[in-house]
Amino acid sequence: DAGVTQSPTHLIKTRGQQVTLRCSPKSGHDTVSWYQQALGQGPQFIFQYYEEEERQRGNFPDRFSGHQFPNYSSELNVNALLLGDSALYLCASSLLTDTYEQYFGPGTRLTVT
Amino acid sequence: GQNIDQPTEMTATEGAIVQINCTYQTSGFNGLFWYQQHAGEAPTFLSYNVLDGLEEKGRFSSFLSRSKGYSYLLLKELQMKDSASYLCAPYNAGNMLTFGGGTRLMVKP
Repeated sequence: DAGVTQSPTHLIKTRGQQVTLRCSPKSGHDTVSWYQQALGQGPQFIFQYYEEEERQRGNFPDRFSGHQFPNYSSELNVNALLLGDSALYLCASSLLTDTYEQYFGPGTRLTVT
Repeated sequence: GQNIDQPTEMTATEGAIVQINCTYQTSGFNGLFWYQQHAGEAPTFLSYNVLDGLEEKGRFSSFLSRSKGYSYLLLKELQMKDSASYLCAPYNAGNMLTFGGGTRLMVKP
């Protein structure tokens, strides 16, 4: 039974470019949340997807958008990249009806130069 | 909004006991998670408290006081591998975690 997987592992982009990060949830999970973690900080909630809809959103600009597919996998898109977008992007999956399980993927390290 | 406060760094000796405190102010509180995160890795689940009191799980215990907006994580018989960041995360309605900045614990021989 695979846990949460994310791709790519590492990514280097230039300011102004666009990036897409991917996440496959743990088998049986239906909810995907995305977090941004800057170096030395705790993860910050970006948004959460359930039934292919954005269910909750944190304090992030519209440059950050996402999508959830019928198989529950998800993408995070960031447009017009800024240097400050350099961070570890974490995906967490869970069952909407089960608070207890919040499993994190290994993350994607994004560097913007 | 939510406000979470935990110490930035702590140092302890191998074999000792350490307590990491967390205070929070949040709306719609449903419980509180503690996660462990080694450098460069994803957070891993340690504990989840919903009711007031102490939850014990092996060498790790977590305490919650909802009325005081206070929690702590207690680590006993410290091992070198316990050197990591410990994240306090209140959970509100809607399956949403809000993380504190984390406490970086260094265990010394």
